[in-house]
Amino acid sequence: DGGITQSPKYLFRKEGQNVTLSCEQNLNHDAMYWYRQDPGQGLRLIYYSQIVNDFQKGDIAEGYSVSREKKESFPLTVTSAQKNPTAFYLCASSPGQGSSGANVLTFGAGSRLTVL
Amino acid sequence: AQTVTQSQPEMSVQEAETVTLSCTYDTSESDYYLFWYKQPPSRQMILVIRQEAYKQQNATENRFSVNFQKAAKSFSLKISDSQLGDAAMYFCASKTGTASKLTFGTGTRLQVTL
Repeated sequence: DGGITQSPKYLFRKEGQNVTLSCEQNLNHDAMYWYRQDPGQGLRLIYYSQIVNDFQKGDIAEGYSVSREKKESFPLTVTSAQKNPTAFYLCASSPGQGSSGANVLTFGAGSRLTVL
Repeated sequence: AQTVTQSQPEMSVQEAETVTLSCTYDTSESDYYLFWYKQPPSRQMILVIRQEAYKQQNATENRFSVNFQKAAKSFSLKISDSQLGDAAMYFCASKTGTASKLTFGTGTRLQVTL
């Protein structure tokens, strides 16, 4: 079945450490996204990529970095510069602009990051 | 910039009854799309229903329907014959035709009671 796989599901980090969250999709989608979810704040966009080797900052990109070397993969690194990294992180993908369903996002199951 | 507002942090409905979740949005674009996503306790976001702004007819998906009031910039979700499995967080979201991202509201937690 096609879908989005996020790993790990739970991750613990000490302050000062960088961590990388994995996101892999087999939907052949061009666009991929990273959202952060905090209680009472809905989902906020961190980074997005519409094509391989290209990505743009979202609303809260500070302290995060991404890469898009393959169409299927869009890993998110939470760096030590992120002041409050404890949150639930959701990866999503969608067909490219101009494609049928381009405006519909499919989400992964999420990763919960806790900073100790 | 787009904004999406959900003014009901929590709602409750009895099983088999009908409930309406409210959402208002603000955009200066004429080409946009509206969505309702469900997030159950598993936290997997699931698309419930979507509406294209250029369509006057309200979208319907089985027990889920929307009341799209374009002039009022309102996009409410009606759940009929509520079931225990409908208990979840519900997020309203919008996307303009030219934008690459969805803008989400803060969510409404729906409880379904026996």
